[in-house]
Amino acid sequence: KNQVEQSPQSLIILEGKNCTLQCNYTVSPFSNLRWYKQDTGRGPVSLTIMTFSENTKSNGRYTATLDADTKQSSLHITASQLSDSASYICVVSASGGSYIPTFGRGTSLIVHP
Amino acid sequence: NAGVTQTPKFQVLKTGQSMTLQCAQDMNHEYMSWYRQDPGMGLRLIHYSVGAGITDQGEVPNGYNVSRSTTEDFPLRLLSAAPSQTSVYFCASSYSTVPTYTEAFFGQGTRLTVV
Repeated sequence: KNQVEQSPQSLIILEGKNCTLQCNYTVSPFSNLRWYKQDTGRGPVSLTIMTFSENTKSNGRYTATLDADTKQSSLHITASQLSDSASYICVVSASGGSYIPTFGRGTSLIVHP
Repeated sequence: NAGVTQTPKFQVLKTGQSMTLQCAQDMNHEYMSWYRQDPGMGLRLIHYSVGAGITDQGEVPNGYNVSRSTTEDFPLRLLSAAPSQTSVYFCASSYSTVPTYTEAFFGQGTRLTVV
């Protein structure tokens, strides 16, 4: 069964600090991995999309890495801001015509001043 | 561009009532989908459509119907609401009919409570 596990479940950091969120998956055959940011009460917003051949992708202060061999991804947030407080969701899609992505449960990040 | 628009934002239903959640997108996207999000769980796919006139079931389709008569609209119908359908519902759309490598745009969500 395809699964996506995210850790930690929740994280509290001080403004200005860096943090790293983890995503492990068992989806096969792998097509791509996406990270979304979901603010409270709003829909998810895409941060990055990575395919098998990409191992790093950045979007401003967000940098995602992918190790397709170990089936792990991380999302690194640099110099955190209060607006980074949100849930971060890892989504993995399989190739072969599947239209059903597998979502992780998300990591809830709280940034304190 | 409005993106993906969902209505209503909030709804309370009585058990057994039916209703339709509306979803519209103005990006000419082929792929549209409906998810539900429950506390402590990841988003789960209810139904999806790869183009007008084409729909298919996702992971949790029971109790829900969809249709896709136009590219823009993808309504979700609850046939006979049950308390287990209390959830936040999100509509999403993507440019490609093969959504595995395209960004999905989500609506703002509909918070549904069934009493």
